[in-house]
Amino acid sequence: GAVVSQHPSWVICKSGTSVKIECRSLDFQATTMFWYRQFPKQSLMLMATSNEGSKATYEQGVEKDKFLINHASLTLSTLTVTSAHPEDSSFYICSATTATNEKLFFGSGTQLSVL
Amino acid sequence: GQQLNQSPQSMFIQEGEDVSMNCTSSSIFNTWLWYKQDPGEGPVLLIALYKAGELTSNGRLTAQFGITRKDSFLNISASIPSDVGIYFCAGQRGDKIIFGKGTRLHILP
Repeated sequence: GAVVSQHPSWVICKSGTSVKIECRSLDFQATTMFWYRQFPKQSLMLMATSNEGSKATYEQGVEKDKFLINHASLTLSTLTVTSAHPEDSSFYICSATTATNEKLFFGSGTQLSVL
Repeated sequence: GQQLNQSPQSMFIQEGEDVSMNCTSSSIFNTWLWYKQDPGEGPVLLIALYKAGELTSNGRLTAQFGITRKDSFLNISASIPSDVGIYFCAGQRGDKIIFGKGTRLHILP
């Protein structure tokens, strides 16, 4: 099956710093990538939908200036958490879908801890 | 807004028992997806369903796409310890995907 690689797996940072998370589709071209946030024992909360070469579409309540998304190529999307604060600590997961939107494949997630 | 109702929220079973969980929606979907998530990992696709009435198996897992296109179930037969985790259903229409809140499966020693 298709593979989506997410990096890093975990990151610890100081409050006020910015953190970049990468999501790559390894064996297919991902026309659309999604970014989710997941709190402990909760479901996936969609943050934004990212299409290659265009601006990301953010879900209601998600600050686009706080969570910067770049989808510069068909195989790479990045999420940058700017000026991170402890309340941004969470599990962030990306996913990617093929052009036909038949299946959705997830990265392995990034655990962000902001001190 | 669109919602997926996934039940049960959690299950406590003995090893070897069969498991059944389902998702229902007020909206029609073109595709139903079932995922399993282990702690600290991203969800892994288990089964994808594309046609109303479709019944698909993947080893000990069986899932069906409801005739009305508003529901789906997942069955796990003869559960084993590695089945522990959270199972999510997802309904897809175009590039819009809605997730259920998950069913947390526990296997008692």
